[in-house]
Amino acid sequence: KQEVTQIPAALSVPEGENLVLNCSFTDSAIYNLQWFRQDPGKGLTSLLLIQSSQREQTSGRLNASLDKSSGRSTLYIAASQPGDSATYLCAVRPTSGGGADGLTFGKGTHLIIQP
Amino acid sequence: EAQVTQNPRYLITVTGKKLTVTCSQNMNHEYMSWYRQDPGLGLRQIYYSMNVEVTDKGDVPEGYKVSRKEKRNFPLILESPSPNQTSLYFCASSLKGGGVSYEQYFGPGTRLTVT
Repeated sequence: KQEVTQIPAALSVPEGENLVLNCSFTDSAIYNLQWFRQDPGKGLTSLLLIQSSQREQTSGRLNASLDKSSGRSTLYIAASQPGDSATYLCAVRPTSGGGADGLTFGKGTHLIIQP
Repeated sequence: EAQVTQNPRYLITVTGKKLTVTCSQNMNHEYMSWYRQDPGLGLRQIYYSMNVEVTDKGDVPEGYKVSRKEKRNFPLILESPSPNQTSLYFCASSLKGGGVSYEQYFGPGTRLTVT
């Protein structure tokens, strides 16, 4: 059964730093990997979607990479800002298993950017 | 604006009192699903629907029912809620399901408390 792990569970850094969030998954049979942002009391906002055939995706200050063979993804945030404070979730869409198209989520990294 | 909406956003109820959480999307998506999010467990899929009148169980379906009579709506029904169903619930949708790789969009969440 697919398992997704996110490290670290929590991270607090000063404003302006570049940072990397890590995600690992146990089964490389995936259609895609999605990074989400979750703000308290709000839903999940999709940040980046990487197809299984892709190596990386970029959106503004965010860059996500995918190494499917090793079961790893990273989310790079450049020049962090206090508004980046949120919980970041990594999710993979397995090609097999129950719950067709169901995403398997990690438990998230709670990020705090100190002004 | 393309979006997934859920109602109510917050609900406090008592054990055994039937309730329905509504979900609606305006993107003409075929695939819809429900997740619950619990501390320490992350997000887990409850039920999903590949299209109108096509529904199936996800990873944690016990105590829940769903229906898909119209493409845009996918209500989650708790016939006899119990305290262990206290959770944060998310509805999600994507253009299609089943072997294709589309981005999933999430609603704002419904926080349910069962006393």
